[in-house]
Amino acid sequence: GIQVEQSPPDLILQEGANSTLRCNFSDSVNNLQWFHQNPWGQLINLFYIPSGTKQNGRLSATTVATERYSLLYISSSQTTDSGVYFCAVGTGGFKTIFGAGTRLFVKA
Amino acid sequence: GAVVSQHPSWVICKSGTSVKIECRSLDFQATTMFWYRQFPKQSLMLMATSNEGSKATYEQGVEKDKFLINHASLTLSTLTVTSAHPEDSSFYICSAKRDSYLFSGNTIYFGEGSWLTVV
Repeated sequence: GIQVEQSPPDLILQEGANSTLRCNFSDSVNNLQWFHQNPWGQLINLFYIPSGTKQNGRLSATTVATERYSLLYISSSQTTDSGVYFCAVGTGGFKTIFGAGTRLFVKA
Repeated sequence: GAVVSQHPSWVICKSGTSVKIECRSLDFQATTMFWYRQFPKQSLMLMATSNEGSKATYEQGVEKDKFLINHASLTLSTLTVTSAHPEDSSFYICSAKRDSYLFSGNTIYFGEGSWLTVV
């Protein structure tokens, strides 16, 4: 099956810093989403981005489908950005497979 | 927007009992739903694909008799953890695929998740 790799696994930032999270996938996908999981476990959908670039406030994402990777950019990080960021991809069967996640901690 | 609701959000049950978790698509129909399990500090692992009106398809290593899935309508799938044991304690989350061939864009929506603790 498709493999999803996220990097880095852990990231500590000082408040105000910028960061880039990466997601590599091993096969063609028709669905790619970035999620932020909060401390209560709730998955917050950040982007649906199987290709191209999107921006939402301090967050933006780019997926280069032909090269099988996606990037999530966080600018001017805040303590509330802390949590786990997951990349999840879907294939023709609509199963969504999650990467291992990037655990982010933003220090005040 | 598309909403998927799970109930209960939190449940504590005794060892040996069964517990049912519901996953509902509130404003769209979903022939296909998915169930995931998440252990502490780990990723979400797909357990099974739930299909309305037919048997669920389980991923390798998932016990069918332990985790019973029923998808009785186009808006409801249930996961029943039978004869629960402490090792079944986990975070369970569902997703639903919107049935709409005229809709482009994202069609997979996730519920809020359910925390199960077996004591």
